[in-house]
Amino acid sequence: SQKIEQNSEALNIQEGKTATLTCNYTNYSPAYLQWYRQDPGRGPVFLLLIRENEKEKRKERLKVTFDTTLKQSLFHITASQPADSATYLCALGDFNKFYFGSGTKLNVKP
Amino acid sequence: GAVVSQHPSWVICKSGTSVKIECRSLDFQATTMFWYRQFPKQSLMLMATSNEGSKATYEQGVEKDKFLINHASLTLSTLTVTSAHPEDSSFYICSARDNIGSDEQYFGPGTRLTVT
Repeated sequence: SQKIEQNSEALNIQEGKTATLTCNYTNYSPAYLQWYRQDPGRGPVFLLLIRENEKEKRKERLKVTFDTTLKQSLFHITASQPADSATYLCALGDFNKFYFGSGTKLNVKP
Repeated sequence: GAVVSQHPSWVICKSGTSVKIECRSLDFQATTMFWYRQFPKQSLMLMATSNEGSKATYEQGVEKDKFLINHASLTLSTLTVTSAHPEDSSFYICSARDNIGSDEQYFGPGTRLTVT
């Protein structure tokens, strides 16, 4: 079955720096990959989607890369702010269903 | 943007009783809705895919007779936890995809179920 790995350790960075989160997967060839933000006790909020034939996608301070050879996606937040502190989830799938990684908690310190 | 609501936001019930959770797409129609369960500090686990007008498709290991899913309209899906036990205590989240072919999933705010 598919396996999705995100760094379980929290990522602590200083305000203004770029945060980079990693999502690795095995035993799967997703049609696309999504990144979500989740705050405690809340449902996930969609951030970005990247398709299997796309290498990179950007949205404001966010950038996602998708390497289907390495089976890896990188999620970057530039000029990070304390308000960016949250857990970030990657999800892989196709139109029928998605599978989520365990998430990485990001702490941005002022 | 597309909004998905869930009701109730939290519920406490006694062991052996049943609990129904509603998931509604407020400003769009959703042929397909998904139900997830999330334990503390863990990821979302897909439980089932709910299709309007047909039977839900359950993931391996999810008891369909315990977690009853009904998707009676294009804007409403319900999850009923039957004969709830303390181990069913969890955060249940639904999501929906609109019918225009968007690849985005819109998530509800979640329902916290506590079984005593």
